[in-house]
Amino acid sequence: DAGVIQSPRHEVTEMGQEVTLRCKPISGHDYLFWYRQTMMRGLELLIYFNNNVPIDDSGMPEDRFSAKMPNASFSTLKIQPSEPRDSAVYFCASSLNWLAGPLQETQYFGPGTRLLVL
Amino acid sequence: DAKTTQPPSMDCAEGRAANLPCNHSTISGNEYVYWYRQIHSQGPQYIIHGLKNNETNEMASLIITEDRKSSTLILPHATLRDTAVYYCIASLSGNTPLVFGKGTRLSVIA
Repeated sequence: DAGVIQSPRHEVTEMGQEVTLRCKPISGHDYLFWYRQTMMRGLELLIYFNNNVPIDDSGMPEDRFSAKMPNASFSTLKIQPSEPRDSAVYFCASSLNWLAGPLQETQYFGPGTRLLVL
Repeated sequence: DAKTTQPPSMDCAEGRAANLPCNHSTISGNEYVYWYRQIHSQGPQYIIHGLKNNETNEMASLIITEDRKSSTLILPHATLRDTAVYYCIASLSGNTPLVFGKGTRLSVIA
């Protein structure tokens, strides 16, 4: 398996532009997570999905952020409009099953998207 | 989830054992201890987890004290590629997704 795939790996954009980050989870995994990492705040959970349904989006910073999972193999995180403070590394992770014990709850992370908003 | 406390940084000589401590004095009886690591420019990677007993896998060993208030992750023969930030997390299985703290930055020195 190729693991969790994220694209793009790097994104540089100007303030006010729309940014779309993409994630392909590991096949067969029921859960998908979006995290954001900055030096100041560390690794923060933004939102997670179970079987394509958003379960908890309380970590989403504000209405400028939205996430979708139209099918089991694809998710997007969109920022519109983007601001310089959104600059961070965004990670997507997936896990097999969240209620089947710690081994099946192991989260597998993608390589991340490095976003710079100028 | 119980709060965990880790030293911010540690050094280890290449080839020696790296012992990374974690304090989780408020851990409840059914909370697991998880360890992940994050190598520079990569996403976090699962290492090992345990509940009460000591655990070992191909990556590391996990020693949990009898009162479960602390644990130690052991990398038996550290290599330069083990240089990373190591996260210790105490969490219920099937609860909320893992919450990552600051971790310990391990530097393996040649």
